[in-house]
Amino acid sequence: DIQMTQSPSTLSATVGDRVTITCRASRSISSWLAWYQYKPGKAPKLLISEASNLETGVPSRFSGSGSGTEFTLTINSLQPDDFATYFCQQYDSYFRTFGQGTKVEIK
Amino acid sequence: EVQLVESGGGLVKPGGSLRLSCSASGFYFGAYSMNWVRHTPGKGLEWVSSISNSGSYIYYADSVKSRFTISRDNAKNSLYLQMNSLTVADTAVYYCARVREAGLLNSFDMWGQGTMVNVSS
Repeated sequence: DIQMTQSPSTLSATVGDRVTITCRASRSISSWLAWYQYKPGKAPKLLISEASNLETGVPSRFSGSGSGTEFTLTINSLQPDDFATYFCQQYDSYFRTFGQGTKVEIK
Repeated sequence: EVQLVESGGGLVKPGGSLRLSCSASGFYFGAYSMNWVRHTPGKGLEWVSSISNSGSYIYYADSVKSRFTISRDNAKNSLYLQMNSLTVADTAVYYCARVREAGLLNSFDMWGQGTMVNVSS
C-alpha cells in the first residue's frame, strides 16, 4: 500500500496567517492527490483534486501544489471557518490511503 | 436535494455483526462508484471499501478484508456495508462517499453525515 505522511500533525495559527501543510507519498502518485477538510460531526469536504484543482465553491485562499511524492496545501489569510483538520488522500491506487491529518487550531 | 444519508450504526458486542446502509438522492446513483470511509479520533480517516458503479469491481482495505462486504442496489439508490466479526478497532464513524466523475480512481466529491458504530462489551 502507498503510505501518506502529513506534517505537521498540529498547527497553531491566527486569523490572517498563511499556513502550509505538507503531504508525502511513499512512492510516486503523479498528481492523483486530493485534500479534504474535516470538522467533527460534519461530512468531510473535498477541497482540491489532482493536486491543484480547486473544487467549485471552495474559496480561492486555498491552493494545492506538487506532484510525484511531495504535495502542499496552502491557506492564504486563514479565516475563522478554516480551523479544522485537513487530510490528504492518494487515488493512484485502488487501495486509497489518507494521511494522518493536520489539525489547524487557534493560536 | 443531492445527498447521501447513512443509517444502521449502533452499539454491538465484539464478534457481532452490523449492516450499514447509504441512501442516495438527487443524482443518478448508478453512474457513480461508491466508497465507505471511517473516521476515528486516533487514526483519522481510513478508506474501507470501494465498489464500481455496476458492482463488478470491489476493493477492501486489508484491515476489513474477509470480514466486511460492500454491495449496492442501483434500483434502490442504495449502498450497503455488511460488517461481521466486529472488533473494538472497528469503532468509528462510517461515511459513504461518492467518487467524483466516472470511474473508480478519483477523489470523493460527496459525503454523507456519517453513522456511528460502537463495538463494546
